[in-house]
Amino acid sequence: NAGVTQTPKFQVLKTGQSMTLQCAQDMNHEYMSWYRQDPGMGLRLIHYSVGAGITDQGEVPNGYNVSRSTTEDFPLRLLSAAPSQTSVYFCASSYSRDTGELFFGEGSRLTVL
Amino acid sequence: AQSVTQLDSHVSVSEGTPVLLRCNYSSSYSPSLFWYVQHPNKGLQLLLKYTSAATLVKGINGFEAEFKKSETSFHLTKPSAHMSDAAEYFCVVSLPLENEKLTFGTGTRLTIIP
Repeated sequence: NAGVTQTPKFQVLKTGQSMTLQCAQDMNHEYMSWYRQDPGMGLRLIHYSVGAGITDQGEVPNGYNVSRSTTEDFPLRLLSAAPSQTSVYFCASSYSRDTGELFFGEGSRLTVL
Repeated sequence: AQSVTQLDSHVSVSEGTPVLLRCNYSSSYSPSLFWYVQHPNKGLQLLLKYTSAATLVKGINGFEAEFKKSETSFHLTKPSAHMSDAAEYFCVVSLPLENEKLTFGTGTRLTIIP
């Protein structure tokens, strides 16, 4: 079982560049989400989706965009990268919105110079 | 409003000795509580969860946690540490029925001394 797959694992960007972090899950989960992890701050929710065609903002959505055209995929777009977006990004999915049981990908480490 | 505090950023124990990772929470409602583990360069994995059933919750790899409402605590314990337990542990609180309201603690790094 692949579970939640994130690509790329590592990326270096220059300020102002754009890019997309890919996330795919093969568990037929309805709920998907993106977090960023920064030292000493735990995980913070960027965007989430409760099903195909439905997305909403989390705690720190500025500078990021998402879409959910299929159940399986939930890409995260950085519109114009800034050094403050240097972080480790995690995609997570869950069977439904209300379980609290998230399945995480292995993370994408992004550095913005 | 809800919050979670992990009282220790770093805990070191010797292999074979007990593990105690402390977590306190605050919540306006009856919360759901979770512990997740993150091994180096990996994603988080659910260890155990409390959702208002038994107050002593057993998880994977011999870990357990006890929900104490009077102390607003949800400490994670294991009787005997193993080298493979070295990881970062996150306590998480949630309002029921809302994954997007999961609030993560800042993490406790567990080091196991051989």
